[in-house]
Amino acid sequence: EDKVVQSPLSLVVHEGDTVTLNCSYEVTNFRSLLWYKQEKKAPTFLFMLTSSGIEKKSGRLSSILDKKELFSILNITATQTGDSAVYLCAPTNFGNEKLTFGTGTRLTIIP
Amino acid sequence: DVKVTQSSRYLVKRTGEKVFLECVQDMDHENMFWYRQDPGLGLRLIYFSYDVKMKEKGDIPEGYSVSREKKERFSLILESASTNQTSMYLCASWRRNTGELFFGEGSRLTVL
Repeated sequence: EDKVVQSPLSLVVHEGDTVTLNCSYEVTNFRSLLWYKQEKKAPTFLFMLTSSGIEKKSGRLSSILDKKELFSILNITATQTGDSAVYLCAPTNFGNEKLTFGTGTRLTIIP
Repeated sequence: DVKVTQSSRYLVKRTGEKVFLECVQDMDHENMFWYRQDPGLGLRLIYFSYDVKMKEKGDIPEGYSVSREKKERFSLILESASTNQTSMYLCASWRRNTGELFFGEGSRLTVL
């Protein structure tokens, strides 16, 4: 059975801090790892990672995948209050293309 | 822009009623998904479909069924609604080559 575990479950930091969110997974026929940000509405896409060790970057957000150790991290530098959200990860596979999300990390940024 | 439209934003139903939640996407995606979201439990996959008339059970399919008669439309059916199905339901459509999953606005269902 596929497993996705995100840690920490919640995190409260001050504006300007750097945070690291973790996603570990077990999935058959791994294809890619997706990261999403969810504020009050539906999740929005952040990154898709397919190769180990190659960092993807978008502004203050970056993410990297380790296919050997089966995890990914999402880094946010110089956090802002607008980064407060739930961050979700989901591995995808070849075959049935099931998309199962982790329970998410709730990030709160204090001004 | 990809659009995923869920027909009802808010519904209130009684226990035992049949409920249809409709989802339509306009980007010709093969893959579509239904999730429910509850506080503390995250997004849980109910059913998904990777082609017309093809459907697969997700992690919590009990009490639900789905229909995919046309590529653009994926319907979630609660044959006999129960109070524990009160939840936010999110439909999504997947652009396979980029990995982007596009969500609808959600349907908040309350079963009394």
